[in-house]
Amino acid sequence: EIVLTQSPGTLSLSPGERATLSCRASQSVNSYYLAWYQQKRGQAPRLLIYGASSRVTGIPDRFSGSGSGTDFTLTISRLEPEDFAVYYCQQYGSSPYTFGQGTKLEIK
Amino acid sequence: QVQLVESGGGLVKPGGSLRLSCAASGFTFSHYYMGWIRQAPGKGLEWVSYISYISTSGSSNTIYYADSVKGRFTISRDNAENSLYLQMNSLRAEDTAVYYCARLGYGSNYPLDNWGQGTLVTVSS
Repeated sequence: EIVLTQSPGTLSLSPGERATLSCRASQSVNSYYLAWYQQKRGQAPRLLIYGASSRVTGIPDRFSGSGSGTDFTLTISRLEPEDFAVYYCQQYGSSPYTFGQGTKLEIK
Repeated sequence: QVQLVESGGGLVKPGGSLRLSCAASGFTFSHYYMGWIRQAPGKGLEWVSYISYISTSGSSNTIYYADSVKGRFTISRDNAENSLYLQMNSLRAEDTAVYYCARLGYGSNYPLDNWGQGTLVTVSS
């Protein structure tokens, strides 16, 4: 089973700042099969990024994904108030398809 | 637009059973793999099960279960009714969670691109 470790656990930033979230895999993940989700309090997760770097239609371009192998990154270039949420990475290339434990992005 | 609406959650005693349903609309349900993901209170996301899009003649659906639910939960689908189900037996306290129905793609190697709002299952005496 591929274990995904997200860091940091909590990230405290202010609107307008840049956020960098990390997702590290215990073994190599095919880049085609790495996704990022956003979950706001009381809501279902929402797919943001798939294939490590492809944005879902309608997701603002301040969200970008990068990485390969075992290290992946979600970057939010300029934080908007609505971006403060929990973010999960997921690999869907090797069963069981696993999620990271999440990074909480909170307002500083 | 794609809509997934779960129902069937509630309070059940340990050892009891529940059947969750997910009504799908806005897309050709029979063409997609579908899955259940759960989230315990204050915790992260956990895969429960997924099922392939269609059963071809003479073969069965491709089905995955997490080890934690194998032998207790059964996933099924009714393509004529555009519905996904999760039969949960021998429920335990650790099964307490919000259960989300989600759409994969034309295979299992796809992200979860649409989610329902979730239904809460509470296992407690």
